[in-house]
Amino acid sequence: EVQLVESGGGLVQPGGSLRLSCAASGFTVSNNYMSWVRQAPGKGLEWVSIIYSGGSTYYADSVRGRFTSSRDISKNTLYLQMNSLRAEDTAVYYCLPGYYSDRWGQGTLVIVSS
Amino acid sequence: EIVMTQSPATLSVSPGERATLSCRASHSLSSHLAWYQQKPGQAPRLLIYGASTRATGIPARFSGSGSGTEFTLTISSLQSEDFAVYYCQQYNNWRYTFGQGTKLEIK
Repeated sequence: EVQLVESGGGLVQPGGSLRLSCAASGFTVSNNYMSWVRQAPGKGLEWVSIIYSGGSTYYADSVRGRFTSSRDISKNTLYLQMNSLRAEDTAVYYCLPGYYSDRWGQGTLVIVSS
Repeated sequence: EIVMTQSPATLSVSPGERATLSCRASHSLSSHLAWYQQKPGQAPRLLIYGASTRATGIPARFSGSGSGTEFTLTISSLQSEDFAVYYCQQYNNWRYTFGQGTKLEIK
């Protein structure tokens, strides 16, 4: 059974950093495209980034240069390193296999506030 | 970037009636479009991919149609559990953008 468990969210000050993790089971992260999608409180869904099976990464304009997606093959885990965080990055962050998916984790909440 | 525009923003429909939700893309997507349903406090649920293919376990009352730049999600006979927010998402271009959502509410 495919499962995704996001973690690493929390409260961080503007300008700070966080690293989100997405532990996967039931499939191999490195063999799949893996996306991050976020949702600000009371707002819609926003695609954030994708890492292709070959390792190429792409980012939304709103996070490019500040966020980095990576993976650890040995841990079958996806990461999102978030630097220079802004208030507008406050959101629930989800990871999912592919660029659309019927498998979503529960999400992890990031709050950027002083 | 492909801009996805959903209409209407809010749709009020009575249970048992049909609901029709629209999604328009700023550039052609072929059939690379997905629809999601989201309820409060829950992750999105994939309903449709490839513009018209129902995801596993999705009831037949949900149907998707369209290609190019115009897409429609139809719910043929609304059940109480269908009142939620619906999003379309394009995956034709690597910026896998979402529409802003349509809230389907009980009339």
